Order: sequence, then structure tokens, then C-alpha cells
Amino acid sequence: SAVISQKPSRDICQRGTSLTIQCQVDSQVTMMFWYRQQPGQSLTLIATANQGSEATYESGFVIDKFPISRPNLTFSTLTVSNMSPEDSSIYLCSVQDGRRSNTEAFFGQGTRLTVV
Amino acid sequence: RKEVEQDPGPFNVPEGATVAFNCTYSNSASQSFFWYRQDCRKEPKLLMSVYSSGNEDGRFTAQLNRASQYISLLIRDSKLSDSATYLCVVNKDQAGTALIFGKGTTLSVSS
Repeated sequence: SAVISQKPSRDICQRGTSLTIQCQVDSQVTMMFWYRQQPGQSLTLIATANQGSEATYESGFVIDKFPISRPNLTFSTLTVSNMSPEDSSIYLCSVQDGRRSNTEAFFGQGTRLTVV
Repeated sequence: RKEVEQDPGPFNVPEGATVAFNCTYSNSASQSFFWYRQDCRKEPKLLMSVYSSGNEDGRFTAQLNRASQYISLLIRDSKLSDSATYLCVVNKDQAGTALIFGKGTTLSVSS
């Protein structure tokens, strides 16, 4: 298993500003992902955070809006840029063992973002 | 068609009831299948993986039908503590580990 520390746990931000969310894992992991969970909805994959290279974004998500860093195998950040109220959501970091496709995903506790 | 579709909820059942959740997925290349549980205002946690032969873990039984692209979860002898949202999850493509989540089905077990 993996223990994930995600912070901040919640924030209220002004529109037009940016927020950076941090995800720290207690062990080296090959795969790290960022998800968004909007109110009443399920999780939507934003991007795969690749160590040492640019993140791989899903359809509908772009690097300018959600820049991601992954400087090593235990840490990643997601920035929500130029925020609007539509960005109000829970953002979750997730890790998996990338050597096999059927491995359990572990999640951080999530960051509850409200944009006003 | 949504990538992963689940029964609309909520399911409200008494303690001791048997309840079944259904799920269909659209990508025939998906190779890994799971049920996750998400408690209110908490992160999702793995309940069980789903294998082609079907698998059981205590009161929980999962089934997979690849031909129909259908997954099910059966919960027997429901407990109050089973109240949660159950998420049907498949991997994004044949080689990848990234996951696609269904919207979830909410179960409420009452005494």
C-alpha cells in the first residue's frame, strides 16, 4: 500500500488566481495521476504525471490550465490556473504500481476547492 | 455512450437484504475491472478487483461478462456499514493503468 499526503485539504480562492496542490507519497511509485470530482459526479482523470517529462493530459484538459510537475518518484503538484467558479471541485492525487494494469489505486484525501 | 455506466441510485435497503449493482463499459480494450467504495466526503478505496471467472470476498461477489461488457456486484446480508457509494471502475486502455470511473451507485442500508 501507499500513504499519500495531499495538501491543502481545502481552500477558498478568488477567481482569476491560481492554486497549487501538492501530493507526497511515502514510497517511490511509477504512476501518479490527478483526478477531479465535481459535486455529485464521479472522478474524471485530468492527467498522468510523468516523472521527468511533460504530463499526459486527457481530452478536455490542457497544460496551460492545469500545469503539473513531477520532479521525482514521490512527489507531484497540480496547479489550477486562472480559476473560475466552474473549477470548484475536489481534486485527488492517485498512485498505482505501473508494472501491471490490475493494481490497486491509492488516493490522497483530496483538496476541496471553492472558487468565489 | 458513457465510458462506464452504472445503475442509477440510490438503493435503500433494510439490514440483511441482498442488493445487486450493475455496470457496463464501452471500451472493449479494457483489461482490468474493479469496484471501489467511496464514503461521504472521503477518497475512494478499493473494494475488490473483478476477474473473468468471478470472485467472492465474504459477503461480496463480483462478476464480469466480457462479451456483454458487463460487470456486477452482489452484496449479501447487508450491514449498516455498507452504506456508501460504489464505483464501477475499468482501466482506460489495454496497456494503461489510468482508470475510468462510473458515476457511482449510492447504497443506504437502514435498520
